[in-house]
Amino acid sequence: DAKTTQPPSMDCAEGRAANLPCNHSTISGNEYVYWYRQIHSQGPQYIIHGLKNNETNEMASLIITEDRKSSTLILPHATLRDTAVYYCIVLNTGGFKTIFGAGTRLFVKA
Amino acid sequence: DVKVTQSSRYLVKRTGEKVFLECVQDMDHENMFWYRQDPGLGLRLIYFSYDVKMKEKGDIPEGYSVSREKKERFSLILESASTNQTSMYLCASIGAENTEAFFGQGTRLTVV
Repeated sequence: DAKTTQPPSMDCAEGRAANLPCNHSTISGNEYVYWYRQIHSQGPQYIIHGLKNNETNEMASLIITEDRKSSTLILPHATLRDTAVYYCIVLNTGGFKTIFGAGTRLFVKA
Repeated sequence: DVKVTQSSRYLVKRTGEKVFLECVQDMDHENMFWYRQDPGLGLRLIYFSYDVKMKEKGDIPEGYSVSREKKERFSLILESASTNQTSMYLCASIGAENTEAFFGQGTRLTVV
C-alpha cells in the first residue's frame, strides 16, 4: 500500500474553507484515497473517498490530481467543531491493510 | 447507531497480566483491524483479519496475538502486558467492498 505525506498542522479561520493537502506519489491504479478525521478521545470518523474523479458529499469535497499523486480535502465552511486530526490514507480494494500516517492537525479559530 | 463496539474505554492492568481487548461489529464485515495510537506516531496496524479464524500480522505484531472465532468479534490479546504497551487501542472493520471503515471509540490501556 502506498504511503501518504501530510503537513503536521494547519490553521483555518472559522467560516473559511479549509484545504488539507496530501501527497501519495506511489499510489497504484487500484488504490482509493480515503480521508478520516479524529476528534480528541474518539475513534476516527470517515469523511470521503475517491479513486480518480473529484467527489463531494455533505461533509467535504475531495480533489484528486490527474496523475493521482496528490489530493486535497476541502471543508467549505470550517467550524470550530472541525478542529481535529485529519488522516489521508490509500486503500487497495483488493487488500485489507491500511496505512495511517501522523495526519494533519487542523485548528479552526474563531 | 453504534456499529463497532470496544468492550472498555479505559483499562488499567499490571505488568505481566494477560489482557483481552474485545471488539464487536454489527455490520457483517469480513475485515477487522486492531491499531494502536501513540502521540506523534499516528495509527499503527497490529493485526488484521479478513475472515473467521484468519489473521495477518500488521506493522507491529510483537507482544500481541489475536482471535477471530466469530465474524462479528475480533479480540486482541496481550499475553504478558508490559509498560510499553500503554497506549490507545482502536478497532476497525471494513466490508468486502472496502467502501468505508468504521472505528470503535478506542480503549485507553495503561499498564503499571
